[in-house]
Amino acid sequence: DAGVIQSPRHEVTEMGQEVTLRCKPISGHDYLFWYRQTMMRGLELLIYFNNNVPIDDSGMPEDRFSAKMPNASFSTLKIQPSEPRDSAVYFCASSPGQGSRGTFGSGTRLTVV
Amino acid sequence: SQQGEEDPQALSIQEGENATMNCSYKTSINNLQWYRQNSGRGLVHLILIRSNEREKHSGRLRVTLDTSKKSSSLLITASRAADTASYFCATVISNDYKLSFGAGTTVTVRA
Repeated sequence: DAGVIQSPRHEVTEMGQEVTLRCKPISGHDYLFWYRQTMMRGLELLIYFNNNVPIDDSGMPEDRFSAKMPNASFSTLKIQPSEPRDSAVYFCASSPGQGSRGTFGSGTRLTVV
Repeated sequence: SQQGEEDPQALSIQEGENATMNCSYKTSINNLQWYRQNSGRGLVHLILIRSNEREKHSGRLRVTLDTSKKSSSLLITASRAADTASYFCATVISNDYKLSFGAGTTVTVRA
């Protein structure tokens, strides 16, 4: 298995632009998580899905952030418009069941200038 | 707020020594997991310990869980330079299946 695949690995964008991060979970994993990691705030859970349905989006910082999971093999996290304070590493993770071990992707390092 | 809090924040040891880090949490858990993150990389799962378990081993790793004290410890024995990384505990709260991470412990193993 190729693991959790995230793209792009790095993204540099100008303030005000739309950013879309992509994630392909491990086949058969029912749970998908989006995290953001910064030095100041550590690892924050933004949103998670179960069977493609958003379960908890209380960690999404603002309306500028949105996430979708149109099918079991693909999810996106969109920021529109982006701001410099959104600069962080964004991780996607998937797990096979309730409370199971998570498998993380390599992350997308986002820089908003 | 973070559910798990690791202690110490940073640890520097000599190769061959043991490294111990602790994690405290606030509410009842379903399980607790430990992860490692090498610089610039994603998190890698190390061990999962359930609330009804007290100790688990995996190679040079030993994890304990004390639910009465709401705490867990991770011991790395005979450390190697390759163990240099940040270590995070993550809790899964009963009836809520998201993984909540602490701030992590940065471990540096000196050759």
